[in-house]
Amino acid sequence: NAGVTQTPKFRVLKTGQSMTLLCAQDMNHEYMYWYRQDPGMGLRLIHYSVGEGTTAKGEVPDGYNVSRLKKQNFLLGLESAAPSQTSVYFCASSSGGRKYNEQFFGPGTRLTVL
Amino acid sequence: QQQVKQSPQSLIVQKGGISIINCAYENTAFDYFPWYQQFPGKGPALLIAIRPDVSEKKEGRFTISFNKSAKQFSLHIMDSQPGDSATYFCAASERHVSNTGKLIFGQGTTLQVKP
Repeated sequence: NAGVTQTPKFRVLKTGQSMTLLCAQDMNHEYMYWYRQDPGMGLRLIHYSVGEGTTAKGEVPDGYNVSRLKKQNFLLGLESAAPSQTSVYFCASSSGGRKYNEQFFGPGTRLTVL
Repeated sequence: QQQVKQSPQSLIVQKGGISIINCAYENTAFDYFPWYQQFPGKGPALLIAIRPDVSEKKEGRFTISFNKSAKQFSLHIMDSQPGDSATYFCAASERHVSNTGKLIFGQGTTLQVKP
């Protein structure tokens, strides 16, 4: 099993450009999450999904959109990139349910917006 | 609003020493407290977790101590090794609100264990 994979691994954008980050998991997990990691800020939740076809806002959703058309995939979109979106983005998944479940993280995407 | 505050931001420990990282939370409804470990260039991975019905949980050299009245919990790494050098994140979750599994993370602590 590959676990959680993210593409691309690195990307450089110019201000105003758009892009989509892809997250895929092969663990049949219900829940998926997108985080951004910035120095001294920890991991902050952008958007999340508790099942196919559902999405919800997290702590820092502005400037991002997401879609979960298939259970195994969770896409994060930046419509008009800004330098403040320079960050490392992590996707995570968990089996969800009524008990606490470990979140499994992907390797991250390092995004630079010039 | 930072609901989970982590300290110190960085920590240097000699091999064989004890590493201690502290976290404090505000929301008394939090009922799950995991610690994640992240190596450079990798995603975080669950290290150990505790629920508030116990005051301590130990797994090998890693121990979580939990103080419910003080709203604090800490990670102790005994006999620290150079291979423990990583960034550590505490986190907290509130299960009953919406069953979303959302975690609130602390700011992270970069640990360096010197040989």
